[in-house]
Amino acid sequence: AQTVTQSQPEMSVQEAETVTLSCTYDTSESDYYLFWYKQPPSRQMILVIRQEAYKQQNATENRFSVNFQKAAKSFSLKISDSQLGDAAMYFCAYRGGVGSEKLVFGKGTKLTVNP
Amino acid sequence: EPEVTQTPSHQVTQMGQEVILRCVPISNHLYFYWYRQILGQKVEFLVSFYNNEISEKSEIFDDQFSVERPDGSNFTLKIRSTKLEDSAMYFCASSVERDSRTQYFGPGTRLLVL
Repeated sequence: AQTVTQSQPEMSVQEAETVTLSCTYDTSESDYYLFWYKQPPSRQMILVIRQEAYKQQNATENRFSVNFQKAAKSFSLKISDSQLGDAAMYFCAYRGGVGSEKLVFGKGTKLTVNP
Repeated sequence: EPEVTQTPSHQVTQMGQEVILRCVPISNHLYFYWYRQILGQKVEFLVSFYNNEISEKSEIFDDQFSVERPDGSNFTLKIRSTKLEDSAMYFCASSVERDSRTQYFGPGTRLLVL
């Protein structure tokens, strides 16, 4: 079974600085999809960014980018120019390419942004 | 921008009671999901639903749980006889197609079983 590991339960960053959140996963599949979701105090799950495993280019969405290392099974999220509104729980999630629709989540990283 | 909605936002119930959690997925989406998050723990997959039938379910989704799409807009999760350990945040999600790869989540229903 696939597993997702987020080794940093908590991280903090100064406003306007850059922070990187780590995620590793375990799978025997070659085709899959990876996601970062943000969960602010309101607890709604908001999609931040996604990456298709077949794409070599790292995904970017404005201030958010990923470092996808397929061989190392690593999928880190970089937040540039951090803002107070970025404070939230961040979940890494995996979805297989064939036969399964479920998302497998990591335990999450709580990000604090200091003014 | 269209979004997934869920009602109620909070529900308190007594152990042994039945609860129905409601979701309105994004209107052109065809695949629907329920997840739950026990406080302080991972988000866990419960069930996926397509074309009026369950397409995948986890071991958590036992006979106490059922899902239904009673009309063209609502998607419900029923827990027949709630247990204390059912207390959690329940998230509904939807995707436009199986291969869209992106599931859009609702704001969740916080269920407390006393």
